[in-house]
Amino acid sequence: GQGVEQPDNLMSVEGTFARVNCTYSTSGFNGLSWYQQREGHAPVFLSYVVLDGLKDSGHFSTFLSRSNGYSYLLLTELQIKDSASYLCAVRMPNYNVLYFGSGTKLTVEP
Amino acid sequence: NAGVIQTPRHKVTGKGQEATLWCEPISGHSAVFWYRQTIVQGLEFLTYFRNQAPIDDSGMPKERFSAQMPNQSHSTLKIQSTQPQDSAVYLCASSSRTGGGVQDTQYFGPGTRLLVL
Repeated sequence: GQGVEQPDNLMSVEGTFARVNCTYSTSGFNGLSWYQQREGHAPVFLSYVVLDGLKDSGHFSTFLSRSNGYSYLLLTELQIKDSASYLCAVRMPNYNVLYFGSGTKLTVEP
Repeated sequence: NAGVIQTPRHKVTGKGQEATLWCEPISGHSAVFWYRQTIVQGLEFLTYFRNQAPIDDSGMPKERFSAQMPNQSHSTLKIQSTQPQDSAVYLCASSSRTGGGVQDTQYFGPGTRLLVL
């Protein structure tokens, strides 16, 4: 099967940062996407990375290391409203099907 | 742009009944994906259409589940003889193409929450 792993929970403090980790072991790889999902709502696309290194998109940044099967989503200057689940998904070469991790529930405290 | 539309948003069925879920992709998008989300299994791929043709249904349970895309503006997922274990949120996503790159980003609908009693 396709293995995409994320920690279940993460807590951080408003105004600081949070790093959501994702490790993967899949039979193919055509990039990795990050989504934000609030309870009862659809996943919302945040970022797509396919090359190694850090991609800075302001409030959200993403890092990828293909040789290590590892990515992270970095949220800076956290706000309470950043509390949500964050899903990483490996895009497969065959038709770009996404294989998702179970999601990390981020709680931002005052 | 209304985004991906899914109806109904909630559906309750009795065990053994049939459930049909509808998805309207973003206008102009050629690829439609169906996923299922549960607390235990997370978000799982079910099936995929490109230009209305079924391409990959490797995630679909072989019995009782079927999906169609009769035209470019909607797709249906049908579950026959529903069972309690079918209870989940069924998500539809569409993308503009599948050739690679950020333009293949999948955009999700709000989902249909199916409860089988």
